[in-house]
Amino acid sequence: KQEVTQIPAALSVPEGENLVLNCSFTDSAIYNLQWFRQDPGKGLTSLLLIQSSQREQTSGRLNASLDKSSGRSTLYIAASQPGDSATYLCAVNTGNQFYFGTGTSLTVIP
Amino acid sequence: GAVVSQHPSRVICKSGTSVKIECRSLDFQATTMFWYRQFPKQSLMLMATSNEGSKATYEQGVEKDKFLINHASLTLSTLTVTSAHPEDSSFYICSARDANRGTVNQPQHFGDGTRLSIL
Repeated sequence: KQEVTQIPAALSVPEGENLVLNCSFTDSAIYNLQWFRQDPGKGLTSLLLIQSSQREQTSGRLNASLDKSSGRSTLYIAASQPGDSATYLCAVNTGNQFYFGTGTSLTVIP
Repeated sequence: GAVVSQHPSRVICKSGTSVKIECRSLDFQATTMFWYRQFPKQSLMLMATSNEGSKATYEQGVEKDKFLINHASLTLSTLTVTSAHPEDSSFYICSARDANRGTVNQPQHFGDGTRLSIL
């Protein structure tokens, strides 16, 4: 069974810093990997989707990479802002379902 | 872009009540919708896969008689929590994939979730 792990569980950084969130998965047989943002009590907002054949995707200050063979993905956030404070979830798509990580709670201090 | 509407956003009700949550794809057809549950400080866990016109597929440990799923049309799936108890209090989120875009490689689109509180 696919297991998805996110490290760290929580992260606090001063505004302006660049940061990296990590996601690892145990089974490399995936179709794609998606990064989400979740604000407290809210639903999920999709940030980036990386297909299994891709190495990275970029959107604004966000860059996500995927190394399928080693079962790892990273989400890089440049020049962090207080508005980036949220929980970030990664999810791998095996074709039948998504498996979610436990998330990284990010706090950006003004 | 693709939008999934989930209703209601919040429900507070007494123990023993049945609660229905709706998940609608607003601008695309979804032959498959997914229902997730999230307990505080835990990750989302898939409860069931809802298939239009057929029975839902439930994950291990999820009681199908307690969580009734109906996917009667290509744009609507409902989750009914029957005889809800305080331990059913959770955050329920649905997602859908655009059927007309074909493959499993397409992203899932999520509703905003329903916060269910059973007193």
